[in-house]
Amino acid sequence: QSVLTQPPSASGTPGQRVTISCSGSSSNIGSNTVNWFQQLPGTAPKLLIYSNNQRPSGVPDRFSGSKSGTSASLAISGLQSEDEANYYCAAWDDSLNGRWVFGGGTRLTVL
Amino acid sequence: QVQLQQSGPGLVKPSQTLSLTCAISGDSVSSNSAAWNWIRQSPSRGLEWLGRTYYRSKWYNEYAVSVKSRITINPDTSKNQFSLHLNSVTPEDTAVYYCAGGDGFLGYWGQGTLVTVSS
Repeated sequence: QSVLTQPPSASGTPGQRVTISCSGSSSNIGSNTVNWFQQLPGTAPKLLIYSNNQRPSGVPDRFSGSKSGTSASLAISGLQSEDEANYYCAAWDDSLNGRWVFGGGTRLTVL
Repeated sequence: QVQLQQSGPGLVKPSQTLSLTCAISGDSVSSNSAAWNWIRQSPSRGLEWLGRTYYRSKWYNEYAVSVKSRITINPDTSKNQFSLHLNSVTPEDTAVYYCAGGDGFLGYWGQGTLVTVSS
């Protein structure tokens, strides 16, 4: 069971806006920043959002992140077929001597 | 551009030691701002952080409680790489293992190594 909670699936049609939620606790999201990763089949996770809402160079501005309290969200606007992938949230957790914790992943389907 | 290149065997026998190496290009294992991690992924456990090494005037290692008695992560400054050693493995340690690093976030990932624990 993952420490951070995400919905197992999400879907949308091309051009739509989709949001994926991530719920945690005071020891992780509540006190540290949130990162989001995109994972295509057979590849390593790719950093999509860091520090709650910052995009690394090369990530389209269709991807945005936000955080409030112990929850965070990833929004994808102007959905494209290439966005079909698994999405994971992650945060540093201050419990158990410190550790990275992850969500269970959300499988995004573009209909 | 930072790149991480993993190497190591894909098959390990039960009770033996799993050893992987991650070579860094474009950054330094001795960076005063980065941390270098090992993470694994399996269908049953999802993404699981195993530990990290980093340098802040001296070397620090931090390990997940779940593997703390079995794991060692070592930096190698002469080769600009870091390694993972996980001993006494069982079939439950079968997973894709990733090295990952960055300045405060997991910005760079290796290609992943599927490690199967089987006799």
